[in-house]
Amino acid sequence: GAVVSQHPSWVICKSGTSVKIECRSLDFQATTMFWYRQFPKQSLMLMATSNEGSKATYEQGVEKDKFLINHASLTLSTLTVTSAHPEDSSFYICSTASFEQRNQPQHFGDGTRLSIL
Amino acid sequence: GDSVTQMEGPVTLSEEAFLTINCTYTATGYPSLFWYVQYPGEGLQLLLKATKADDKGSNKGFEATYRKETTSFHLEKGSVQVSDSAVYFCALGTQGGSEKLVFGKGTKLTVNP
Repeated sequence: GAVVSQHPSWVICKSGTSVKIECRSLDFQATTMFWYRQFPKQSLMLMATSNEGSKATYEQGVEKDKFLINHASLTLSTLTVTSAHPEDSSFYICSTASFEQRNQPQHFGDGTRLSIL
Repeated sequence: GDSVTQMEGPVTLSEEAFLTINCTYTATGYPSLFWYVQYPGEGLQLLLKATKADDKGSNKGFEATYRKETTSFHLEKGSVQVSDSAVYFCALGTQGGSEKLVFGKGTKLTVNP
């Protein structure tokens, strides 16, 4: 069964709206969660790494005030796209990792397709 | 820095054909190597992995061997099915997989009946 649950799977909203995407680890305590962005027909681009209870580490070029990440518990991380605009439309994917299972591959969510009108 | 170079697609094959998707990497140290598969509209699923040189990862008829001498991790399958149609990503990680991964650009595979 699914190890990571990502919600919503699809969201369409108006420009200027803030959108929250949730990533839940179902079977284990995810000490680390990664957020990726994927443009059509392209690879995954890592946006940020979040560790439970601490601030997220953003990759170069990613606006931390635009993409707010919260990892308040070992089973939930959220990505909020603030004041979204059409150029933020993309496929967002989270993945989870565990310190206890740090030699094991990450588990990925099914992704969220965000469309900003 | 670390990087992954993957064969550009798209790749179109007939059912039961042999598949090879090339992947080479550049990394410091001794990375772990992965192949992930993404079906339309879904997230990524781990297909197989190898953690050290000469290891062979295998799953669902797919295989890839970690070749340190050629810094390669080519994906192969002897007889593809229509259900194998997806995008395949080669990736590397330096701590076994639980750290951030470096992905190739992906190769779209279409298998026709």
